[in-house]
Amino acid sequence: TQLLEQSPQFLSIQEGENLTVYCNSSSVFSSLQWYRQEPGEGPVLLVTVVTGGEVKKLKRLTFQFGDARKDSSLHITAAQTGDTGLYLCASSKVDSWGKLQFGAGTQVVVTP
Amino acid sequence: KAGVTQTPRYLIKTRGQQVTLSCSPISGHRSVSWYQQTPGQGLQFLFEYFSETQRNKGNFPGRFSGRQFSNSRSEMNVSTLELGDSALYLCASSLLGATDTQYFGPGTRLTVL
Repeated sequence: TQLLEQSPQFLSIQEGENLTVYCNSSSVFSSLQWYRQEPGEGPVLLVTVVTGGEVKKLKRLTFQFGDARKDSSLHITAAQTGDTGLYLCASSKVDSWGKLQFGAGTQVVVTP
Repeated sequence: KAGVTQTPRYLIKTRGQQVTLSCSPISGHRSVSWYQQTPGQGLQFLFEYFSETQRNKGNFPGRFSGRQFSNSRSEMNVSTLELGDSALYLCASSLLGATDTQYFGPGTRLTVL
């Protein structure tokens, strides 16, 4: 089983600050997804990265996929209170139907 | 296009009872996966259905079961509920259930007393 390790577990910052969340594995990812989950709701997909070295931007969010496809990071610039949530990385294997393996998540709290 | 819907959103049961949760996937999606989310264990995969067949199963006891109907709607059932079954149960749908993107519903919050 591929284990996904996320760090840090918890992050509390003020509005306007930057933050970075990490996701690492000892195995190579075929692809990696980042989700954000708010309390009492299901995870919402932010991005999927597939190619080693890939960088994707979604407004103030920048996602990087490591060259070796074993790690990924999510960077938020000038965080806003609306960025508060649980950030989850997840990966799937080609021979494991419908199964996403999730990291434990990083709880991000952005205060005014 | 409507998203994944789950009913009910909240449920309170007592130990020993059974419960059935329902999931309607995005139109055209044939794969439905179920997950259990708890503070201690995070998100864990229960099982996946495609064209009414269970193709994959996680490491949960036989008290957890599911099925899928011809219209791709899915139900999961938990029998003989235990306190530890209290969790947020999430379903996700995708086109084929391979490595394609999964879209999650809002979940059903189950509390076992």
